Amino acid sequence: DAGVIQSPRHEVTEMGQEVTLRCKPISGHNSLFWYRQTMMRGLELLIYFNNNVPIDDSGMPEDRFSAKMPNASFSTLKIQPSEPRDSAVYFCASSLGGEANYGYTFGSGTRLTVV
Amino acid sequence: DAKTTQPPSMDCAEGRAANLPCNHSTISGNEYVYWYRQIHSQGPQYIIHGLKNNETNEMASLIITEDRKSSTLILPHATLRDTAVYYCIVRGGTSGSRLTFGEGTQLTVNP
Repeated sequence: DAGVIQSPRHEVTEMGQEVTLRCKPISGHNSLFWYRQTMMRGLELLIYFNNNVPIDDSGMPEDRFSAKMPNASFSTLKIQPSEPRDSAVYFCASSLGGEANYGYTFGSGTRLTVV
Repeated sequence: DAKTTQPPSMDCAEGRAANLPCNHSTISGNEYVYWYRQIHSQGPQYIIHGLKNNETNEMASLIITEDRKSSTLILPHATLRDTAVYYCIVRGGTSGSRLTFGEGTQLTVNP
């Protein structure tokens, strides 16, 4: 099992550019989560998918952020246009189910720097 | 989900047991106690979780008090690689509940 795979590991972009982060969940997991981590705010849940359907996007900071899950093995988080305050580490996690008895497995994260 | 309280930092000598406390006095009957850790620059790593009974796995033991208002994560023989931020999380028992991370405890294992 390769675990949750995120790409790229590092991304440096200029303000105003579009950024796309990618995630491949563990095969068979039907819940997927995007988190953002900064020094100021810690780990924040951005959006949660269950069976490829967005269930809760209340953590998405603003309309510049969007997330999709076109199939069970792939999800993207897009920022357009990017701003320096979007600089953070973005983690993707997957879970076998939405029930509380299932833990999450996290990927290694994408470190985004917007200059 | 119930709020948790953890000490901001702790130290432990290598080879000794590390006991990390967590208070969750407002926990409800169907809420689970989860422990995760995050080693610098890595994604959070699942350690253990429990509902009422004490739990043990290859990484750690989880001791939950009888009234469930507090718990302790025990790393029986801490190594330098256990230096990390440890998060205690109470997660609702309903389907769709989320893992919400607080500030955690920075555990430093010293040689």
